[in-house]
Amino acid sequence: EPEVTQTPSHQVTQMGQEVILRCVPISNHLYFYWYRQILGQKVEFLVSFYNNEISEKSEIFDDQFSVERPDGSNFTLKIRSTKLEDSAMYFCASSDPRGGVETQYFGPGTRLLVL
Amino acid sequence: AQSVTQPDIHITVSEGASLELRCNYSYGATPYLFWYVQSPGQGLQLLLKYFSGDTLVQGIKGFEAEFKRSQSSFNLRKPSVHWSDAAEYFCAVGKAAGNKLTFGGGTRVLVKP
Repeated sequence: EPEVTQTPSHQVTQMGQEVILRCVPISNHLYFYWYRQILGQKVEFLVSFYNNEISEKSEIFDDQFSVERPDGSNFTLKIRSTKLEDSAMYFCASSDPRGGVETQYFGPGTRLLVL
Repeated sequence: AQSVTQPDIHITVSEGASLELRCNYSYGATPYLFWYVQSPGQGLQLLLKYFSGDTLVQGIKGFEAEFKRSQSSFNLRKPSVHWSDAAEYFCAVGKAAGNKLTFGGGTRVLVKP
């Protein structure tokens, strides 16, 4: 069964450093998403991406964040200058709304720790 | 704005007993409703979903959920839990294709032998 993959599984970085989290969505999916889950808190939406542009973003997704689909398979989340509060599990998801049933499938996550 | 409430933060259940997890949502139109499960250190796995039609939906691992519009609820049930069902369960609501999911706070299920 196709699945969403994410790399790395864990990332440790110093405050102020840039990080890039990578995702490979399911190949025929059209919508891509990033969510995050701070330890002990609920899963929060960050951004959705469709047709090579952001379709929706949350208040969390400020100028420090950016997303890109650099080629036909990868979808990346970049945090330009990490803060301590960016420490979280970051989930990528993808969906295909064609056929009238739209389900988001999630990857295993990247655990980011900012020191 | 859409929101989801899972009133129970923790539930402890004996193996073989039944399980019911509560989920209440707030949304102005017909919602898309989902239950996901997260095992320790793992990602989110879809258990089941409701878009329309039959209000009792069946999912994987023997789970089912019932959509009750009058109560704005989408409770998850399993008749007999297994030790492997110990995990965190998230209810989520969406509104249309390509739109964000809003998650509840999750319910952590502990299964006693």
